[in-house]
Amino acid sequence: AQSVTQPDIHITVSEGASLELRCNYSYGATPYLFWYVQSPGQGLQLLLKYFSGDTLVQGIKGFEAEFKRSQSSFNLRKPSVHWSDAAEYFCASGSYNTDKLIFGTGTRLQVFP
Amino acid sequence: NAGVTQTPKFRVLKTGQSMTLLCAQDMNHEYMYWYRQDPGMGLRLIHYSVGEGTTAKGEVPDGYNVSRLKKQNFLLGLESAAPSQTSVYFCASMGLREKIYEQYFGPGTRLTVT
Repeated sequence: AQSVTQPDIHITVSEGASLELRCNYSYGATPYLFWYVQSPGQGLQLLLKYFSGDTLVQGIKGFEAEFKRSQSSFNLRKPSVHWSDAAEYFCASGSYNTDKLIFGTGTRLQVFP
Repeated sequence: NAGVTQTPKFRVLKTGQSMTLLCAQDMNHEYMYWYRQDPGMGLRLIHYSVGEGTTAKGEVPDGYNVSRLKKQNFLLGLESAAPSQTSVYFCASMGLREKIYEQYFGPGTRLTVT
């Protein structure tokens, strides 16, 4: 069965520092992979997605993620974090033959000035 | 486009009461989903629908029922609310045109059962 693991429950960074949020998936074939962001009291917004092709994908708000098949990972990165990036981030996976997404448990990002 | 909307935004119920949450989307999407979000557990799928008149169970369907009488609406019902159903509920929709598998989310409904 598909599963998504986000090993970090809570991450704290200083504004301007770089960020990497980890995501590992479990699926035999090539999955579709997504990163969503949820600001407090809001719904989920799609940051970026990977279906196929170039393994480095660019998203909104300056985020990028890299698909590494050998490590079953899809880590989210940002070179310089802004205070407004404080939110909860969810990784999710799906595939061409399923109607559903599997979500990780989320990583809460806190940004200090 | 309003995207995905949810009604109501907040609700407090007493144990045993019933209620219906409404989700509406104006993107002509085929698929619609109901999730619940609880601290430390991410999003868990309750029920979903692949088209008008069809529904299917997700990961945590017990205590909930759904209906999709119109393509744009997806209703989530709680027949006899329990404190364990205190949660934030999110609706999402997804279209299959151009093989776009991303889901679009509503703003959520915060439900408290006392």
